[in-house]
Amino acid sequence: GAVVSQHPSWVICKSGTSVKIECRSLDFQATTMFWYRQFPKQSLMLMATSNEGSKATYEQGVEKDKFLINHASLTLSTLTVTSAHPEDSSFYICSVRLAKGTDTQYFGPGTRLTVL
Amino acid sequence: KNQVEQSPQSLIILEGKNCTLQCNYTVSPFSNLRWYKQDTGRGPVSLTIMTFSENTKSNGRYTATLDADTKQSSLHITASQLSDSASYICVVSGGSGTYKYIFGTGTRLKVLA
Repeated sequence: GAVVSQHPSWVICKSGTSVKIECRSLDFQATTMFWYRQFPKQSLMLMATSNEGSKATYEQGVEKDKFLINHASLTLSTLTVTSAHPEDSSFYICSVRLAKGTDTQYFGPGTRLTVL
Repeated sequence: KNQVEQSPQSLIILEGKNCTLQCNYTVSPFSNLRWYKQDTGRGPVSLTIMTFSENTKSNGRYTATLDADTKQSSLHITASQLSDSASYICVVSGGSGTYKYIFGTGTRLKVLA
């Protein structure tokens, strides 16, 4: 399977600042990348689907201006949490899908965001 | 509505014992069902994947079953180890054909020495 990395693994920031999280597919080109958010003791919630070279598709209730997604290449997608607030504190996980017509996703290790 | 429900919500067992986790789904159309293990503070790792025609799939001490008629799946863990302590998530792929994953609520397993 694909190896997916995320950077940073954890980050602490002040309220009102912006934080960028990177998701990289290390050994395969990913046609699609997904961003999830996971609150304590809850399952993963899909935030957005990102296709290389096109705008991300956001799930209902997810503010696209607050969670900026850039999928500039087939191996890199970034999620920027703008003007972060304490309620944005969560575990953010990305996943990659390697080819169209398949549904297998490979998950990254996650990034723990804490907003003070 | 496409939903995946898991039970129990949490489970505590002694090391060496077996346990079975349950998953019920209402996803239609159905493509496949996966079980993932998620350690605390880590991303999910795939354990098994089953399509409509598969009834059982094993991966070491993990055995998953699927009954597509009743839309139920189970994950059986044999001879549990301390390292099995984690959340186990049932994920169904299907729905509107967009290949989205529909996640279950997860079962948090704690194995005690």
